Amino acid sequence: GQSLEQPSEVTAVEGAIVQINCTYQTSGFYGLSWYQQHDGGAPTFLSYNALDGLEETGRFSSFLSRSDSYGYLLLQELQMKDSASYFCARLSNSGYALNFGKGTSLLVTP
Amino acid sequence: DAGVTQSPTHLIKTRGQQVTLRCSPKSGHDTVSWYQQALGQGPQFIFQYYEEEERQRGNFPDRFSGHQFPNYSSELNVNALLLGDSALYLCASSSTGLAGGYEQYFGPGTRLTVT
Repeated sequence: GQSLEQPSEVTAVEGAIVQINCTYQTSGFYGLSWYQQHDGGAPTFLSYNALDGLEETGRFSSFLSRSDSYGYLLLQELQMKDSASYFCARLSNSGYALNFGKGTSLLVTP
Repeated sequence: DAGVTQSPTHLIKTRGQQVTLRCSPKSGHDTVSWYQQALGQGPQFIFQYYEEEERQRGNFPDRFSGHQFPNYSSELNVNALLLGDSALYLCASSSTGLAGGYEQYFGPGTRLTVT
């Protein structure tokens, strides 16, 4: 299967750190991507993990553990503009299509 | 450098009608994918075009069809519209090859409402 599971909502305070988890089914796994989407906007690519470990890009980091079929997106020094939906996604077995989770709505409060 | 563009931005159609949505990929990209995003859900893959051919198709009925032109732009056609087709339709472009598949550049989408 290609399903991904992530929490539907997360709330955090400005300046804090938040972690958004994603679990997936293992068949034909190539890697895990993360996308951000603001209300009314287009999904934008944040990060990709093909191998186990942590990838860091500024305030955002993404982690993958293939043995646990698990990954997470870590957002540090939260800002109000980080309020958005965050999707984990994996490539299909063919390597062409992206299969998305249902998304996590992050609300950053003052 | 223009990103992915889509037209129109919004569209209202009546059940049973047909619709055509258009997409121009990011400069330098040769692959176009289409996704349907219902409210509160993640994007669902419809199909992908490469070298003017449908390379992969998701779990969508034949009412959904597409085309890619020599300049890599693409169209999505939906026939016999149903109320359930109301959604945001996203176009995404990427470069050829597996490595490019995980990073796709999305357009702003076309909001289709079927009444």
